[in-house]
Amino acid sequence: GAVVSQHPSWVICKSGTSVKIECRSLDFQATTMFWYRQFPKQSLMLMATSNEGSKATYEQGVEKDKFLINHASLTLSTLTVTSAHPEDSSFYICSALKLAGVSYNEQFFGPGTRLTVL
Amino acid sequence: GQNIDQPTEMTATEGAIVQINCTYQTSGFNGLFWYQQHAGEAPTFLSYNVLDGLEEKGRFSSFLSRSKGYSYLLLKELQMKDSASYLCAPMDSNYQLIWGAGTKLIIKP
Repeated sequence: GAVVSQHPSWVICKSGTSVKIECRSLDFQATTMFWYRQFPKQSLMLMATSNEGSKATYEQGVEKDKFLINHASLTLSTLTVTSAHPEDSSFYICSALKLAGVSYNEQFFGPGTRLTVL
Repeated sequence: GQNIDQPTEMTATEGAIVQINCTYQTSGFNGLFWYQQHAGEAPTFLSYNVLDGLEEKGRFSSFLSRSKGYSYLLLKELQMKDSASYLCAPMDSNYQLIWGAGTKLIIKP
């Protein structure tokens, strides 16, 4: 399988500050990356689809001005939570799409970033 | 619309076999994935089906019927470490994974 890393693995910040989370595909190029959020005991919720060189596509209800996504290269996408508040505390997970032809395309997940906003 | 239906919770005994069923509806179809997720961790890949039939991988097997929108994950020789949530996730025509709430599997000694 392929490897996707996330940094940081956890972060604690004060309310009102901004936090940047990096997602890297280490051994393949990913034109498309996905950002998810997961609250305790709930399913993964897709926040946005990040395409290299273009604007991200946000899911309904996700504020694009609050969750800034940049996908400047084929191996790196970043999610910045701006003016974070306690309700933004969650587990943020990225995945990178590896296209391998007609028969097999897979999303490889990063290990996740746990954000706690005080 | 797109949706996933899995049992919320299942309980099984160590050493036994358990089958987790999943029905789905998606816009387009690019295969179906099963993931395992332990609390506080990201999902880890278990299996992938794109054609009808059974895929076997050690203690885990997954089955797909595209015409019925149905899949199952079969876990054999259950171990305590198999206690986790199991997520059925079909991939739609935009390569997005469609997620349900998953099935929480509890293994008892």
